[in-house]
Amino acid sequence: GQQVQQSPASLVLQEGENAELQCNFSTSLNSMQWFYQRPGGSLVSLFYNPSGTKHSGRLTSTTVIKERRSSLHISSSQTTDSGTYLCAWGMSNYNVLYFGSGTKLTVEP
Amino acid sequence: EAAVTQSPRNKVAVTGGKVTLSCNQTNNHNNMYWYRQDTGHGLRLIHYSYGAGSTEKGDIPDGYKASRPSQENFSLILELATPSQTSVYFCASGAEQFFGPGTRLTVL
Repeated sequence: GQQVQQSPASLVLQEGENAELQCNFSTSLNSMQWFYQRPGGSLVSLFYNPSGTKHSGRLTSTTVIKERRSSLHISSSQTTDSGTYLCAWGMSNYNVLYFGSGTKLTVEP
Repeated sequence: EAAVTQSPRNKVAVTGGKVTLSCNQTNNHNNMYWYRQDTGHGLRLIHYSYGAGSTEKGDIPDGYKASRPSQENFSLILELATPSQTSVYFCASGAEQFFGPGTRLTVL
């Protein structure tokens, strides 16, 4: 089946450090999406990014479709950035999503 | 941002009982989805719909039915609940998917 690989699985930062999260997919796609999830919480959409680079505050998403990869850059991390970051790749006309296992980020003060 | 609500938020059911999870969205999205999230398996697609009256099987449909009676509502039905269906269930809507708050289901 479809494979979505995220790395690293976990990451611990000191407040103010930057982070780079990676997502790779094994087959072609229609779209991709980055989500943030607090423990026990729902998923919050960060980026919907079929291709190219998008910015939102301290977050930057870059997707290269033909290389089947996407990255999420977090600059100047804050303790409130702690949580799990999930990437998902969209397939078919109905944008069925396949999720990676996530990167658990901990930002320490 | 899209508003997606789910009910109930928490549910305890008995093995063999019937459970219905409900999802409502107010942004007129055609596509709606049901996922479950389990430690070690991540998020997996159960059923989806591309409009009122349509339901399609996702990756793990066994033991689940879905119903889309209107554009706004999409239900997930467990006719005979089993302990293996204990999980957190999320509904989502839209091409850019917006998720509801989740339903924590425990089947005893």
